[in-house]
Amino acid sequence: ETGVTQSPTHLIKTRGQQVTLRCSSQSGHNTVSWYQQALGQGPQFIFQYYREEENGRGNFPPRFSGLQFPNYSSELNVNALELDDSALYLCASSPMSGQLKTQYFGPGTRLLVL
Amino acid sequence: AQSVTQLDSQVPVFEEAPVELRCNYSSSVSVYLFWYVQYPNQGLQLLLKYLSGSTLVESINGFEAEFNKSQTSFHLRKPSVHISDTAEYFCAVSDDGSGNTGKLIFGQGTTLQVKP
Repeated sequence: ETGVTQSPTHLIKTRGQQVTLRCSSQSGHNTVSWYQQALGQGPQFIFQYYREEENGRGNFPPRFSGLQFPNYSSELNVNALELDDSALYLCASSPMSGQLKTQYFGPGTRLLVL
Repeated sequence: AQSVTQLDSQVPVFEEAPVELRCNYSSSVSVYLFWYVQYPNQGLQLLLKYLSGSTLVESINGFEAEFNKSQTSFHLRKPSVHISDTAEYFCAVSDDGSGNTGKLIFGQGTTLQVKP
């Protein structure tokens, strides 16, 4: 069984640019959540996708957007990058069944904005 | 609103000593509780979880945590730590999923430093 994978592993961008991060969910999982982890902090919920629809959003501006595809993989897009967007971006997937919301995380993409 | 407080930012301990990492949460609804571990430059790995049933849950590598509803706590314990347990530990809470995303709310993390 393949776990959650993310690409790229590292990325360097400059302020004002746009970035796309990718995530493949674990087999059998149809829900994908994205989190931002700033240095020395706990992860913060960005948003979640279920069956290709956004299913909840945290306190992040609209320049953070996402997509989920029919195979349940997902993208996180960030426009007009700011220095404070530098962080580890984590993707997590959850299984289809009921209310058991155990989330399984990928290794993350480390984004540095200069 | 839900919140999680990890009471210690750093916990230094000698190898083979016992350790407790403290976690308190606030929530007005039924919750699920989780401990995740993060090794340097890696993502989060699920260590253990409380969903329902027995309030004492165990991991395969000797950690255990006890859900205490009256004290709204979910402290993580290990009777004898190893050097390899050195990592960042995150406590997280999720709502019961009814009508919500089941998003995770994380604490700030506790750095466990195991010394030889």
